[in-house]
Amino acid sequence: AQTVTQSQPEMSVQEAETVTLSCTYDTSESDYYLFWYKQPPSRQMILVIRQEAYKQQNATENRFSVNFQKAAKSFSLKISDSQLGDAAMYFCAYRSGGNQFYFGTGTSLTVIP
Amino acid sequence: DSGVTQTPKHLITATGQRVTLRCSPRSGDLSVYWYQQSLDQGLQFLIQYYNGEERAKGNILERFSAQQFPDLHSELNLSSLELGDSALYFCASSALSGANVLTFGAGSRLTVL
Repeated sequence: AQTVTQSQPEMSVQEAETVTLSCTYDTSESDYYLFWYKQPPSRQMILVIRQEAYKQQNATENRFSVNFQKAAKSFSLKISDSQLGDAAMYFCAYRSGGNQFYFGTGTSLTVIP
Repeated sequence: DSGVTQTPKHLITATGQRVTLRCSPRSGDLSVYWYQQSLDQGLQFLIQYYNGEERAKGNILERFSAQQFPDLHSELNLSSLELGDSALYFCASSALSGANVLTFGAGSRLTVL
């Protein structure tokens, strides 16, 4: 079975600075999708960004971007110009070819004013 | 509003009781997933349905059951409730095509006293 590992249980960043959250995964598939979800204190799960494995170009959504290293099976999330509203739990997720979603254990991000 | 509707939002009940959580997927999505999130924990996959049929089963207890109806709404039944069943239960839906994003409802918060 696929596994998703987030090795940083907690991270902190100064407001307006940049932070990178790490995620690695294990798979033998060649076609899959990767996602980052954000869970703010409201506990709502919100999609932040997605990456198709067949695309070499890294996905970007405004201040959020990913560094996708397929060979290394690494999928990190970079948040630029961090804002107080970015404080949340961030989950990395993998979607298999069989449409199963596997989630990491999450990284709690604190933004320091 | 994500388009995935979960009811009730909050539920308080006693040990030994039975409850039903309801989910209406986003319009056009045929697949429904159920997840359990205990306090400060990650997401535990329970079960997935696709167009009325069970597609995959995760760490779902025998005391729990689910189904997806012809109108695609889904219900998660939790019986013989224990204190440890207190958690946030998420329903998520997906189209199982294209980018196949998992869209979450706001969750049903269950408290067992």
